[in-house]
Amino acid sequence: DAGVIQSPRHEVTEMGQEVTLRCKPISGHNSLFWYRQTMMRGLELLIYFNNNVPIDDSGMPEDRFSAKMPNASFSTLKIQPSEPRDSAVYFCASSPLAGEQYFGPGTRLTVT
Amino acid sequence: GENVEQHPSTLSVQEGDSAVIKCTYSDSASNYFPWYKQELGKRPQLIIDIRSNVGEKKDQRIAVTLNKTAKHFSLHITETQPEDSAVYFCAANGGSQGNLIFGKGTKLSVKP
Repeated sequence: DAGVIQSPRHEVTEMGQEVTLRCKPISGHNSLFWYRQTMMRGLELLIYFNNNVPIDDSGMPEDRFSAKMPNASFSTLKIQPSEPRDSAVYFCASSPLAGEQYFGPGTRLTVT
Repeated sequence: GENVEQHPSTLSVQEGDSAVIKCTYSDSASNYFPWYKQELGKRPQLIIDIRSNVGEKKDQRIAVTLNKTAKHFSLHITETQPEDSAVYFCAANGGSQGNLIFGKGTKLSVKP
């Protein structure tokens, strides 16, 4: 049984470029979460979806960040334009509605 | 909204000793409290959770206790082993929709 799948696993890009992170949740899970983890700020919830609908995006740092979930098996987190302070590990997690969350392996983003 | 405080931020124990990590939360409506273990460079993994209809739950060497009146919960690890070394995160659900609010993490080091 495949867990949460994220791609790419590592991304290095230059400031000003567009970055797209991808996530495939566990089949049958109704909820999907995007987190950002840094040493300074810890694990931060950016946005989450229930049944493909965004519920709370108050954690999205600014308008440069956007997320979509066009169907139950795919979500993207986009940063445009990227900045060095966006460097972090981005995790996607999925869960049954109000159930246990399972994390993907993460995408390590470096913006130079 | 929910706020989760976690203590201590670092904890060092000798192999075989017990380790205790404590968390407090602010929203009395929270009813789900998971604990995650994150090894260096890896994803957070769910190790144990507790719901508000029970006061204690145990799984081999780990246990979690919950005091809803005082709004705090704790992780107990007995007979610690070097492979228990990791960062541990507590969390509480922030509402009926299923999102989690995480503590800042505790770095546990078990010395052989």
